[in-house]
Formats: sequence, C-alpha cells, structure tokens
Amino acid sequence: EAGVTQSPTHLIKTRGQQATLRCSPISGHTSVYWYQQALGLGLQFLLWYDEGEERNRGNFPPRFSGRQFPNYSSELNVNALELEDSALYLCASREGSGVQPQHFGDGTRLSIL
Amino acid sequence: RKEVEQDPGPFNVPEGATVAFNCTYSNSASQSFFWYRQDCRKEPKLLMSVYSSGNEDGRFTAQLNRASQYISLLIRDSKLSDSATYLCVVKSMGGSYIPTFGRGTSLIVHP
Repeated sequence: EAGVTQSPTHLIKTRGQQATLRCSPISGHTSVYWYQQALGLGLQFLLWYDEGEERNRGNFPPRFSGRQFPNYSSELNVNALELEDSALYLCASREGSGVQPQHFGDGTRLSIL
Repeated sequence: RKEVEQDPGPFNVPEGATVAFNCTYSNSASQSFFWYRQDCRKEPKLLMSVYSSGNEDGRFTAQLNRASQYISLLIRDSKLSDSATYLCVVKSMGGSYIPTFGRGTSLIVHP
C-alpha cells in the first residue's frame, strides 16, 4: 500500500513569490493535515481538510491556504513568501475515525532566498 | 502551561541502557495518545499508540497515567538506531480532531 506522497521534495523560491505544495493521502484516507516545521522547532498545525472541506486552521496568516480535491488529494498554497516561511512542510492523512493516528509524507522542504 | 510538554533532552545513553521519557498534557478531555519517532530532517513516523492499560511492542513500552495527565515511553536495551527525536501526540475528541504535538525529546545512543 502506498503511503502519503508529497511533491515536490524540494522547492526554492524568492521573497514575494507563490508556492504550491501537493499531497496525496493513503488510499481510503479522507482527512489531510498540513504542518509546518521550521528548523529546530516542533510541528505547527496549519490546516485540516476532510471530505473536501476545510475543517480547521492553525494560527497562520491568510496567505497560507489550500484545498482538498474530490480524490482527497490536497494542495497547500503560500502567497507572498517571506524568509521565515522556509521550513519543512509535512502532510499527514488518517482514516475516517478521529481516534486513528496520522501517517506522514516525506515532506516538502521549502527554501526562501 | 503548554498543552503538551516534553523534556527536550538530549538524553545521552550507552547501548543497552534503558531510558524513559515522559510527556505531560494539560487537557483532561484528551482521549488518544501516540508516540512518534522523527529522525533528523525526516518525517515523523508512528511508533505506537498508547492505550489506557499500557502496551508493549518489543523493546518499547508505553503507559498512560490519566490521574496525573502524562504518558511515558520506555525503551529497553537501547540500540544505536534508536537515536532520534521522540514526539508525544495528544488528541482530544469533541469536534476538533487536531492532534497536538510535543516539541520532542532527543535521544542519542552511543557505543
């Protein structure tokens, strides 16, 4: 069974540009979560999608947005990139029940120059 | 008080040692608990769920103490490959299935 897949692996942008990160959940998983992990810091919750809808978002500015497609894959968009957006962006999926654990993709490492 | 707190370490132990980590949580309504392992610059990987009665998986034992609101992870016979950061995760039910991650505890196992 394929795990959570994310693309691209690495992304290099400059300040002010826009970035799009993609995630495909494990087959059968309908919930997708996005996290930001800056170097040396813990995971910061960004967004949660379930059944195509945004269910919750963390304490991030509106320039962080995303969506979930009918096939449950998801996209994270970051507009007006800033230097401090440099981080590892992790996507996780889980099965329908909230008690199930999340499974993570390898992440996208976003570097802002 | 942070929702989930862990001692960042590092815990520096020799091969073969037994080491234990604790993780405290503030929300008494928390109902699901997990330990993840994260290697440097890699994604977190589920190590084990934590059940009320405690559970064991090989050299790893997880326990939950609801009264004192903490979970623990015990690693016996440490291996060099156990070197990683161990993340505690707590989920509360009731509409918001957002897990809260601790900052992690760093373990270094040396020869």
